[in-house]
Amino acid sequence: DAKTTQPNSMESNEEEPVHLPCNHSTISGTDYIHWYRQLPSQGPEYVIHGLTSNVNNRMASLAIAEDRKSSTLILHRATLRDAAVYYCILRSTDSWGKLQFGAGTQVVVTP
Amino acid sequence: NAGVMQNPRHLVRRRGQEARLRCSPMKGHSHVYWYRQLPEEGLKFMVYLQKENIIDESGMPKERFSAEFPKEGPSILRIQQVVRGDSAAYFCASSRDSTAYEQYFGPGTRLTVT
Repeated sequence: DAKTTQPNSMESNEEEPVHLPCNHSTISGTDYIHWYRQLPSQGPEYVIHGLTSNVNNRMASLAIAEDRKSSTLILHRATLRDAAVYYCILRSTDSWGKLQFGAGTQVVVTP
Repeated sequence: NAGVMQNPRHLVRRRGQEARLRCSPMKGHSHVYWYRQLPEEGLKFMVYLQKENIIDESGMPKERFSAEFPKEGPSILRIQQVVRGDSAAYFCASSRDSTAYEQYFGPGTRLTVT
């Protein structure tokens, strides 16, 4: 399975944008890029997903490189509630059921 | 619309006892997934079930662990003869069908083995 690489942690000030990078240089054509986040003591929560084009939803934006070997999750205005571990996951249509979580990026938001 | 429900939220078992973890998927969801998060480690996929069927159990330990999702009632993750290494948070997720993009997670069951 294709793997992802994320920084261990990132800090941001409240109301500032946060750009979370993810490298997935071995991505295959059947892999979708998914992002989940896990707030302290809670289950993971879906954030966004994409295949080739950039995507926006109410929570975040996902920018995907043209060669698909990297992507960036963008939180436009961080709030204290966005402090969480963010996971970048490749999900293949060949094994759609399971999500394979890595270590993720711990986002710290300071007031 | 209630989310994924898991019970109990906390479970304490002595070594050698059995642990039963329950998961009620979101209304209208017929696919359930179980994940385990060991202390200071990431989430690991365990098993994927549809009603009355196991679709993928590639992450399940070979011994002592079993899962079911009967036609009626919640999905059950059963751990027999628990050991200290089974102490972890167990999360259940559900999806509408096999092609759904989102998995919706429950709050988890925190199992402590003493």
